[in-house]
Amino acid sequence: KNQVEQSPQSLIILEGKNCTLQCNYTVSPFSNLRWYKQDTGRGPVSLTIMTFSENTKSNGRYTATLDADTKQSSLHITASQLSDSASYICVVSLVIPGGGNKLTFGTGTQLKVEL
Amino acid sequence: SAVISQKPSRDICQRGTSLTIQCQVDSQVTMMFWYRQQPGQSLTLIATANQGSEATYESGFVIDKFPISRPNLTFSTLTVSNMSPEDSSIYLCSVVWSTSGASEQYFGPGTRLTVT
Repeated sequence: KNQVEQSPQSLIILEGKNCTLQCNYTVSPFSNLRWYKQDTGRGPVSLTIMTFSENTKSNGRYTATLDADTKQSSLHITASQLSDSASYICVVSLVIPGGGNKLTFGTGTQLKVEL
Repeated sequence: SAVISQKPSRDICQRGTSLTIQCQVDSQVTMMFWYRQQPGQSLTLIATANQGSEATYESGFVIDKFPISRPNLTFSTLTVSNMSPEDSSIYLCSVVWSTSGASEQYFGPGTRLTVT
C-alpha cells in the first residue's frame, strides 16, 4: 500500500529557532514530492515541489531535501516565526499507468512556534 | 497561480439534510478535484470533477452520497447528501494549474462542515 508517514506528529519550538520535519514514503512509482503548509481553517499552500532528480529545493526560510533512494524527505525551517505555526503536509505524487498523477497525503506535522 | 474560493466557509447542519458546496476558480482549469479532510486526518480524494461529464469517484465514495456538478471550466459544486455526524469534515476544492510547462496543485480555503 502506498503510504506517506510524517514525524513528529507535533512540535513546539521557540521563535527564532530552527526545526526539521521528516517524511518517509513508500509510494512507487514516484513522480514528485511536495510540501504544503496549512494554516488553521485554511486550505494547503504549496511550499516546494521536487522531482526524483532533485535533492534540495528552497523557498525563503523553507528548505526541503529529498533522498529518492531511501524514500525520505525533510523540511527545514530556519529562524522560525510565529506565523510558521501551522500543519506541514508531505504529499507524494504517484504515477498512474496510462498517464496522470495521484497524490498521497501524509497526516501532517503540527508546528507551534512560541515566544 | 489560480485563486480558488469556496462557499460556504463553514456550516452546521442537521443530520438527514443535504449541503451544496460551491467552488469558483478565477481561471479556466481542466483538472478540478474535491477532497475531504476529517479531524486529525490527511486529505482524502473524493472525486475528480469532469467538465461536461460525470465525476470520477474514488473507492469508498459514491455519486448518490456526493453528487458533483461541473458546468464549466471555472466552477463546480459538491453536495453532501443525507448527512450524518460522520460527514463532519473539511471539504476542499482543488485544481491543477499549469504554466510554462510546470503544473501545480492549488487548494481552496475549505468548507468546514459540522453535522449534529
